[in-house]
Amino acid sequence: EVQLVESGGGLVQPGGSLRLSCAASGFTFSSYAMHWVRQAPGKGLEYVSAISSNGGSTYYANSVKGRFTISRDNSKNTLYLQMGSLRAEDMAVYYCARGSFNRGAYYFDYWGQGTLVTVSS
Amino acid sequence: DIQMTQSPSSLSASVGDRVTITCQASQDISNYLNWYQQKPGKAPKLLIYDASNLETGVPSRFSGSGSGTDFTFTISSLQPEDIATYYCQQFRTFGQGTKLEIK
Repeated sequence: EVQLVESGGGLVQPGGSLRLSCAASGFTFSSYAMHWVRQAPGKGLEYVSAISSNGGSTYYANSVKGRFTISRDNSKNTLYLQMGSLRAEDMAVYYCARGSFNRGAYYFDYWGQGTLVTVSS
Repeated sequence: DIQMTQSPSSLSASVGDRVTITCQASQDISNYLNWYQQKPGKAPKLLIYDASNLETGVPSRFSGSGSGTDFTFTISSLQPEDIATYYCQQFRTFGQGTKLEIK
């Protein structure tokens, strides 16, 4: 059974840092690109970041570029998101998701339960 | 970047109704459009990929159609457990979401 379990969320002051983790199991982690998607309270889904299966390629939304760093440790089946210079608008539930291709479409077929990041003084 | 315009933003329907949600892309995206269901407090769940392909285990009352720039998501007979917010997605872009409620 595929499982993605996020951790590391919590309360942080504006300007602070936080590292999120996503522990994967039930599939060959090193074969899949992985993603972070966030959802601010009462809002829709916002794509944040992606990393290729071997970690050699990354992508960041403009809203987090230069402040967040995505990484992965395929030996530990774990995805990370290092978040810095946090702002009030970064407050959200952060989901990790597995990316998959089929018939041409790219989609997120498994999601974690999410971890809440609260940015407040 | 491709923009996705989803409508309506909210919808109220009765059990047994046929429900339709639309998603329009700002440019031709072929069939590369997916639909998700998100229940309150839960992670999104993939329902349909590549515009019309039902994910394994998803009830057949859910369906999708369209290509190019215009796409439709349909629930043929609304059930109480279908109350959720639905999102379309094309690669890194999500639609704004449609909150579905029971009338």
